[in-house]
Amino acid sequence: AQSVSQHNHHVILSEAASLELGCNYSYGGTVNLFWYVQYPGQHLQLLLKYFSGDPLVKGIKGFEAEFIKSKFSFNLRKPSVQWSDTAEYFCAVKKAQAGTALIFGKGTTLSVSS
Amino acid sequence: SAVISQKPSRDICQRGTSLTIQCQVDSQVTMMFWYRQQPGQSLTLIATANQGSEATYESGFVIDKFPISRPNLTFSTLTVSNMSPEDSSIYLCSVDRDSADTQYFGPGTRLTVL
Repeated sequence: AQSVSQHNHHVILSEAASLELGCNYSYGGTVNLFWYVQYPGQHLQLLLKYFSGDPLVKGIKGFEAEFIKSKFSFNLRKPSVQWSDTAEYFCAVKKAQAGTALIFGKGTTLSVSS
Repeated sequence: SAVISQKPSRDICQRGTSLTIQCQVDSQVTMMFWYRQQPGQSLTLIATANQGSEATYESGFVIDKFPISRPNLTFSTLTVSNMSPEDSSIYLCSVDRDSADTQYFGPGTRLTVL
């Protein structure tokens, strides 16, 4: 069965600090990879996704993620965080097949102080 | 992206009662998914609803407790039956846009069971 592991439960940073959130998954086949963000009081939004091609993908709001197939990892990064990045971040995986559901990691709470 | 609405947005219910959550999508989709997000937890898939067939439930979720309807390609309902405080969660509807193979989420229904 697929599973997703997020390494950090709660990350606290100051504004302008760099961010990296770890995500590893277990599945032997081809997968599509996602990061979702949930801002306080808002619904889940897609941050970025990887299906194929360049393993470094860029998303909204300056976020990027790198897919490393050999490590089954899809880590999220941002060079300089802002207070408005305070949110819950979820890594998710699905089989590369239409109609299959997402499997989520437990999430990482990011708190950015100004 | 897809525009997804859910009703109600929140509710407080008494133990032993049932609540039906509605999910409406702005365009026709083949697959709809129902997830649960318990307090402080990640999202867990409850079931996958394909129009014209019975929903497929994940391990730990049963039709008697979470009956799902999918009468057409833009609408689905999830009923939480015979509720207990353990059912207090956010319930989210999600759709898989076939061409994009990306899931989009509704705003969620926050359920509190007393």
